[in-house]
Amino acid sequence: GAGVSQSPSNKVTEKGKDVELRCDPISGHTALYWYRQSLGQGLEFLIYFQGNSAPDKSGLPSDRFSAERTGGSVSTLTIQRTQQEDSAVYLCASSLGGSSNYGYTFGSGTRLTVV
Amino acid sequence: AQKITQTQPGMFVQEKEAVTLDCTYDTSDPSYGLFWYKQPSSGEMIFLIYQGSYDQQNATEGRYSLNFQKARKSANLVISASQLGDSAMYFCAMREGTSGTYKYIFGTGTRLKVLA
Repeated sequence: GAGVSQSPSNKVTEKGKDVELRCDPISGHTALYWYRQSLGQGLEFLIYFQGNSAPDKSGLPSDRFSAERTGGSVSTLTIQRTQQEDSAVYLCASSLGGSSNYGYTFGSGTRLTVV
Repeated sequence: AQKITQTQPGMFVQEKEAVTLDCTYDTSDPSYGLFWYKQPSSGEMIFLIYQGSYDQQNATEGRYSLNFQKARKSANLVISASQLGDSAMYFCAMREGTSGTYKYIFGTGTRLKVLA
């Protein structure tokens, strides 16, 4: 596609429910990243996929968070048993490679609200 | 550990004037990249400019330039001839080059308001 597509754009869920956030990167981009941005804060790294390599999961805040990337393209971030502190904007980004000097291309984000 | 510091939570500038947004970083990796992003109120992150640790000259992109002072570990963004549309959050980010991960570490951001 022309840009990084994320869905849904907004998600309201009840505490304790599971949610799935989807990211469709730019075609041909081998690197895919998930970040979280809490209200008024900077971006917190969650997970990074590069080609067929094992993902870097060092930023996932707890074992309730997981992500997968199927076929080197679409990625899904899953949050199990959501908590109110999970409320944030979840941003996905992709790039041609991890070492690209052109920065990431970000999606518009999914705003998650846990009530 | 790598770290990015933006000490200005908010800045004001008069339209058509230049403004400098500060960014300092800390890393032990000799190879790294520094990036600036703009985030308007709509929420999207827009890549502005990149500076590599081995680049001899300061990066420039239109009205944006990066004042790279390697010894001081600073990478300040200079916006010349500010426009009302420049009002946004600005994030500095660093990517280490040899860790194999290429994840970016972001600063906490500076909110710029351009005054008419």
